[in-house]
Amino acid sequence: GENVEQHPSTLSVQEGDSAVIKCTYSDSASNYFPWYKQELGKRPQLIIDIRSNVGEKKDQRIAVTLNKTAKHFSLHITETQPEDSAVYFCAATSNTDKLIFGTGTRLQVFP
Amino acid sequence: KAGVTQTPRYLIKTRGQQVTLSCSPISGHRSVSWYQQTPGQGLQFLFEYFSETQRNKGNFPGRFSGRQFSNSRSEMNVSTLELGDSALYLCASSLPGAAANVLTFGAGSRLTVL
Repeated sequence: GENVEQHPSTLSVQEGDSAVIKCTYSDSASNYFPWYKQELGKRPQLIIDIRSNVGEKKDQRIAVTLNKTAKHFSLHITETQPEDSAVYFCAATSNTDKLIFGTGTRLQVFP
Repeated sequence: KAGVTQTPRYLIKTRGQQVTLSCSPISGHRSVSWYQQTPGQGLQFLFEYFSETQRNKGNFPGRFSGRQFSNSRSEMNVSTLELGDSALYLCASSLPGAAANVLTFGAGSRLTVL
């Protein structure tokens, strides 16, 4: 069935280090892969997305890579800052075009 | 431009009761999706509405239902509440067409079932 697995569930890094969060999806028809950031007590907000016709996309310190053959995609955050601390969710479209989310990664950036 | 508005923000119910949650999308957004968020389970898809029609449905029991009105506002209802229904219910709206999956979330309605 439709499934998105996300790892790790928690991630602690030192300020300035890089953080990588990985997701795998099951539906080969998936064609849209967004990443959402949810700060404590706030709503999820879209931070970056990628479509299946692109292998990589960057926006300042964040980047997403997509490997369609292996059915996995990753979020890369460079030069992490304390304000990057949040829960990050990956998602992928299903064969019925709804968004299926991963279970989230709690990122903590220590100063 | 107003964002996605959800009401009520917080509510407490007891087992067996029913609850109705409301979502007003961003002006011009015609698609509304609902998600249930619980610790450890992430965001689980409930249903999606477009032009007053349910376009997609998740794997939730029939106690969970929804509808959309002609002004794109949406409501979801949970009947015969169970303790496990305690969660943050998030609504998201999006434009039609190619941007249909670019979701803007509301702040959520936090439901506690006692």
